[in-house]
Amino acid sequence: AQTVTQSQPEMSVQEAETVTLSCTYDTSESDYYLFWYKQPPSRQMILVIRQEAYKQQNATENRFSVNFQKAAKSFSLKISDSQLGDAAMYFCAYIDNDMRFGAGTRLTVKP
Amino acid sequence: DAGITQSPRHKVTETGTPVTLRCHQTENHRYMYWYRQDPGHGLRLIHYSYGVKDTDKGEVSDGYSVSRSKTEDFLLTLESATSSQTSVYFCATGLGQSLLGYTFGSGTRLTVV
Repeated sequence: AQTVTQSQPEMSVQEAETVTLSCTYDTSESDYYLFWYKQPPSRQMILVIRQEAYKQQNATENRFSVNFQKAAKSFSLKISDSQLGDAAMYFCAYIDNDMRFGAGTRLTVKP
Repeated sequence: DAGITQSPRHKVTETGTPVTLRCHQTENHRYMYWYRQDPGHGLRLIHYSYGVKDTDKGEVSDGYSVSRSKTEDFLLTLESATSSQTSVYFCATGLGQSLLGYTFGSGTRLTVV
């Protein structure tokens, strides 16, 4: 059973605009790690951002930030000032014993 | 990632034939993983290894076996390939439960005809 849910199979954003990708997960652990990976057409898995579950402060990496709501088991990714190079498949994942992935969201960036 | 090499990058094989995919790492990571990626499913864990000769099953292990005789190498074998095993296979390495996450190879696209 899928323990990571990405409810948006596809998303589209205008260049320079902001987009938010949603992710919810299910774990009984109290300490775990959350990740967003980007997969461009090259197939490479690129780590975008990461968050420790016991840290309240939301992680930020340049134009990428997360909204982590531990009680709701929600971990959304916000991309600001979207660029053409952001177009890719995005996977939400968490590690408790091993890394579990969502089904992915395909992001299109329109010029 | 230059630290993980998967071979081959592409392979077409016939139903019923054995297939071995190779993963080689220079990261010196203790843990190694094999995932398969299919549309609508994301990446699903097949098998993993937590040390030389120490392996365990993942979520979708049926029809697959693995071996790890050296820290650097992790082999995935399909004993008798089926069309349902057509997929993209990723090797990953890591330090286990860690904020560092996993490092991934560039994947092997396997087609079983």
